[in-house]
Amino acid sequence: DQQVKQNSPSLSVQEGRISILNCDYTNSMFDYFLWYKKYPAEGPTFLISISSIKDKNEDGRFTVFLNKSAKHLSLHIVPSQPGDSAVYFCAASLYNNNDMRFGAGTRLTVKP
Amino acid sequence: EPEVTQTPSHQVTQMGQEVILRCVPISNHLYFYWYRQILGQKVEFLVSFYNNEISEKSEIFDDQFSVERPDGSNFTLKIRSTKLEDSAMYFCASIPSITGGNAHNYGYTFGSGTRLTVV
Repeated sequence: DQQVKQNSPSLSVQEGRISILNCDYTNSMFDYFLWYKKYPAEGPTFLISISSIKDKNEDGRFTVFLNKSAKHLSLHIVPSQPGDSAVYFCAASLYNNNDMRFGAGTRLTVKP
Repeated sequence: EPEVTQTPSHQVTQMGQEVILRCVPISNHLYFYWYRQILGQKVEFLVSFYNNEISEKSEIFDDQFSVERPDGSNFTLKIRSTKLEDSAMYFCASIPSITGGNAHNYGYTFGSGTRLTVV
């Protein structure tokens, strides 16, 4: 059951540059997409979400882009900061469903 | 800020033994979840719970697993006879409701997890 895929296990960027994290999905019925951030020894924390009726959602340094035709979404972090170093999970759900499907995560390292 | 609390943080158990993982969701939340993450793999949905009953469960959540909310505050996950492949990080999560796009606009609040090691 690989409905949500994050094909890059890790990403390293320089402080101040843009970080782009990618996610692909297979179920065209998904209504919502979310990004979570996870630090070691902590649970995932919600970062930003986007509805399937939109193609962009922005919150401060974080922007999520959705390309429904390609079944692809991405998270842009600009500018990247060392405190952004964490594992980022992409997740997707149907509006009337209670469960959320997660990708395997991408470990982002932002170097000072 | 309200938190979801999970205990213990780490549990080591012998194969075949029963384990109970405990969670205290945020007090005004109504929907509760268990997820797990095997080392290096994705976070997997196990079960959702509302109004004192299971509302959805995944294919992972077989007869060896059970959940209950025994006293209105704790939310527990029991594994009756643990297997080596049950070794994982188990996360509890909660949300106030799923109406109004709550879970989708604001996400779940997760606990810090319990690392279960079956030996």
